[in-house]
Amino acid sequence: KNEVEQSPQNLTAQEGEFITINCSYSVGISALHWLQQHPGGGIVSLFMLSSGKKKHGRLIATINIQEKHSSLHITASHPRDSAVYICAVKVGETSGSRLTFGEGTQLTVNP
Amino acid sequence: DTEVTQTPKHLVMGMTNKKSLKCEQHMGHRAMYWYKQKAKKPPELMFVYSYEKLSINESVPSRFSPECPNSSLLNLHLHALQPEDSALYLCASSQVQRVEKLFFGSGTQLSVL
Repeated sequence: KNEVEQSPQNLTAQEGEFITINCSYSVGISALHWLQQHPGGGIVSLFMLSSGKKKHGRLIATINIQEKHSSLHITASHPRDSAVYICAVKVGETSGSRLTFGEGTQLTVNP
Repeated sequence: DTEVTQTPKHLVMGMTNKKSLKCEQHMGHRAMYWYKQKAKKPPELMFVYSYEKLSINESVPSRFSPECPNSSLLNLHLHALQPEDSALYLCASSQVQRVEKLFFGSGTQLSVL
């Protein structure tokens, strides 16, 4: 069993739909990152969470430390949101950031 | 400037070649990382430099040799690679402590023939 599990693996939505991607982890963590990767490689860091909720534009990320679970929500989805979304956790407080990655969720938003 | 710049974007090399990948950032980050990513898989950490010193080596074969000549530059020297080393190589940077965000470069797509 992976330490970080994402669901679903693939998600297809229509433009305008509300989208939720889930991430569960089995270890104690100090932080959780949500990353976005577009075709061609570039990875963008969307959020870093250690508790609660963060919002940036149409993106909302929540984390429940007790349940070891995080969600990424996209409101009013748009075709440009099509990408792979990756959850990654940081274990411990070592300097720098050694992250354990989930397998990613491939999101396709159709017009 | 919030960019991590990687060169080259694409590289094709033979198994006997020696080549280098370069990564540069001017955000004052003192932690820099090399990741390897195979198609449809998440990135795998290879090396972490913290204050220009190698702090993490994830048991990477010696045919990959990292170098951090100063706080803005990170190199990955490649020698005698195997076809299975073909992958996207990503560089990233961050603060050392209280990491809020990782900044990634767009990667070097490496093909070993």
